[in-house]
Amino acid sequence: DTEVTQTPKHLVMGMTNKKSLKCEQHMGHRAMYWYKQKAKKPPELMFVYSYEKLSINESVPSRFSPECPNSSLLNLHLHALQPEDSALYLCASSQDNVYLGGYTFGSGTRLTVV
Amino acid sequence: GQNIDQPTEMTATEGAIVQINCTYQTSGFNGLFWYQQHAGEAPTFLSYNVLDGLEEKGRFSSFLSRSKGYSYLLLKELQMKDSASYLCAVRDADNYGQNFVFGPGTRLSVLP
Repeated sequence: DTEVTQTPKHLVMGMTNKKSLKCEQHMGHRAMYWYKQKAKKPPELMFVYSYEKLSINESVPSRFSPECPNSSLLNLHLHALQPEDSALYLCASSQDNVYLGGYTFGSGTRLTVV
Repeated sequence: GQNIDQPTEMTATEGAIVQINCTYQTSGFNGLFWYQQHAGEAPTFLSYNVLDGLEEKGRFSSFLSRSKGYSYLLLKELQMKDSASYLCAVRDADNYGQNFVFGPGTRLSVLP
């Protein structure tokens, strides 16, 4: 298995809703990442988990809450989002935090906040 | 910190060769990556350079000069399906190489 699987592929939520994005990989990668990408912009790093511990939080608002239940799973819990949070949310994984290799990206969740 | 620059848009003809440049200024360096991203899809890994020189991979080649803070991606025998955004990304040496910063991306249009 050489994929990162993200669900759902599309999500529409209201500003008062609570929802979660899920990411799964079975490549034995020990670093997992959440990125946010707006249209025609590059991905922006949000969070990094290394060996199931949060190692980087790029000053992301608390309405985004990451969780890493185990080495294969990464969740992003969403609450009280704003319309400007609408974007493509990408999950990625890599071998580990010092491996000089690239990321494997999931296909993303396209989030629309109404 | 990181500063990465790429041209915003490029246009080329099917069958031609195109070179996409990337310049970077970093406080540390632990590798430079090129990704391809089609509209609405996830980025896919193309190439990786950590030492100076040219890495060739089929129709794609990537070059790195660390002293100049410069890389390019060379695409040969362009095909229509190569129309996409090409992202240059630098992995710095902080946080055990977890800092991975993308440039603004270059949107390539391949015309018949």
